[in-house]
Amino acid sequence: EVQLVESGGGLIQPGGSLRLSCAASGITINNSYMSWVRQAPGKGLEWVSVIYGGGSTYHADSVKGRFTISRDKSKNTLYLQMNSLRAGDTAVYYCATQVGYGSGNYYVRYFDYYMDVWGKGTTVTVSS
Amino acid sequence: HSVLTQPPSVSGAPGQRVTISCTGGSSNIGAGYDVHWYQQLPGTAPKVLIYGNNNRPSGVPDRFSGSKSGTSASLAITGLQPDDEADYYCQSYDSSLSGWVFGGGTKLTVL
Repeated sequence: EVQLVESGGGLIQPGGSLRLSCAASGITINNSYMSWVRQAPGKGLEWVSVIYGGGSTYHADSVKGRFTISRDKSKNTLYLQMNSLRAGDTAVYYCATQVGYGSGNYYVRYFDYYMDVWGKGTTVTVSS
Repeated sequence: HSVLTQPPSVSGAPGQRVTISCTGGSSNIGAGYDVHWYQQLPGTAPKVLIYGNNNRPSGVPDRFSGSKSGTSASLAITGLQPDDEADYYCQSYDSSLSGWVFGGGTKLTVL
C-alpha cells in the first residue's frame, strides 16, 4: 500500500522560507511522477508543482521562481522548497502520486495522468 | 477564478440522482485532455473518484459515473446517500498554462 506523509509546515513570516517534505512508502519516488497540490482555507484545489519520473520539474505560474520541487532517492522523500513566501501561499499542502493508465498497447501520455494517492497534508501559514 | 468552471453547490434527496458539470475551454477539456474527478470529505484529503473521463478506481461504487463531451464533463451520482456529502472537484490539463488545473469545486448537500 502506498502511503505519503507530509511534514514541515508551520507559521512563517512573509518573505521567509520553508521546506516541506513528503515521505513515501510502498512506492519508489525516483521512478514516479509526483505533485504538490495546495488548498487555501475555504478554497479549492490548486496544482503547484510536479516532478516527472525522469526528473524534469514544472511549477505553476503563481509559484514559479519561488518554489522548487525535488526528491531524495536515498530517503524516498519528495520536497518543496518555498522561498519569498506571501500571505497568498497560506494553505494546506498535499503531495500526491500521479499515475497513468492503459491496457494492451495503449497507455496515456503524462498530461492525462491523474492524482492517485494523496497524503493528509501539512499546513503552511504565512503571517506576520 | 478557476480555469474549469463548476457550480458552487448542488443538492438532492437520498436516493435521487444529481449531476455536477465541469466546463472548460479549447486549451484543456476541448483539446482532448482527460478529465478526472475527486471527492473531498470534510476535513480529509481528496480521493480520486473517476479517472480518464469515465473510469472508476476499484472500491468506488458504480453509483458514480463520468462523461465528457466537447469542452465539458459531468459527474453523475445516483442513489444519493448521506455519506456522499462532500466537495467534488474536476481536474484536467491545460496546454496554455502547461500544467494541471482544477475546477473551483462543488459542494454536494444531501437533504
